[in-house]
Amino acid sequence: EERLEESGGLLVQPGGSLRLSCVASGFAFSDQHMDWVRQAPGRGLEWVGRIRSKGYRYTTYYAASVKGRFTISRDDSKDSLFLQMKSLKTEDTARYFCVRESRDAIWFGDVFYYQYYMDVWGKGTTVTVSS
Amino acid sequence: QFVLTQPPAVSATPGQTVNISCSGSKSNIGSNTVSWYQQLPGAAPKLLIYRDDQRPSGVPALFSGSKYGTSASLAISGLQSEGEADYYCVAWDDTLDAWVFGGGTKLTVL
Repeated sequence: EERLEESGGLLVQPGGSLRLSCVASGFAFSDQHMDWVRQAPGRGLEWVGRIRSKGYRYTTYYAASVKGRFTISRDDSKDSLFLQMKSLKTEDTARYFCVRESRDAIWFGDVFYYQYYMDVWGKGTTVTVSS
Repeated sequence: QFVLTQPPAVSATPGQTVNISCSGSKSNIGSNTVSWYQQLPGAAPKLLIYRDDQRPSGVPALFSGSKYGTSASLAISGLQSEGEADYYCVAWDDTLDAWVFGGGTKLTVL
């Protein structure tokens, strides 16, 4: 079974730092792009950031709301994904989900390109930023 | 505010078909495929539709997706009370270099 399990969520004061972890099992973690998505209490889903696989040089992307404060990394030898958060704000309070991306090849004549989608989600870990 | 626009809520009676719309722009839905997710209360989101209209194995055929231009739609037929959930659309945005979500639609089965 393909699984993602997050950990590290805590109560932290504004301005503080926290590191979330996600361990993958049941699939070839190193081949997949990975994401963090969060959900504030009673609100919708918000994408946090993405890290691509080694074949794409571990390129990272971030939402404007967290850029410069959050850093995504991975350790393929341990099938693990990380989210380092600093300068935390009360609005960062949310449940954080670790998410796997899969891809489909779409052909146009004899040329193809990949389309990605998020398919496997962890259960999430809760971060509360409050004094 | 969310880059993709969904109705906040829809409702229908058991057995009916409901459609949930998702409106975007050329840089997201107009250029990339759309996925749809179902989130039951307290649970993680679950993939329902990918690549605009494809169902993963295990997702019932009562869920179907479509796309035209910069808009997408999720149809749920033969509604049952178990379908009460929040539904989200997602697409990659080439201008923002980001995944963009709709604000979610709460489905109520009357």
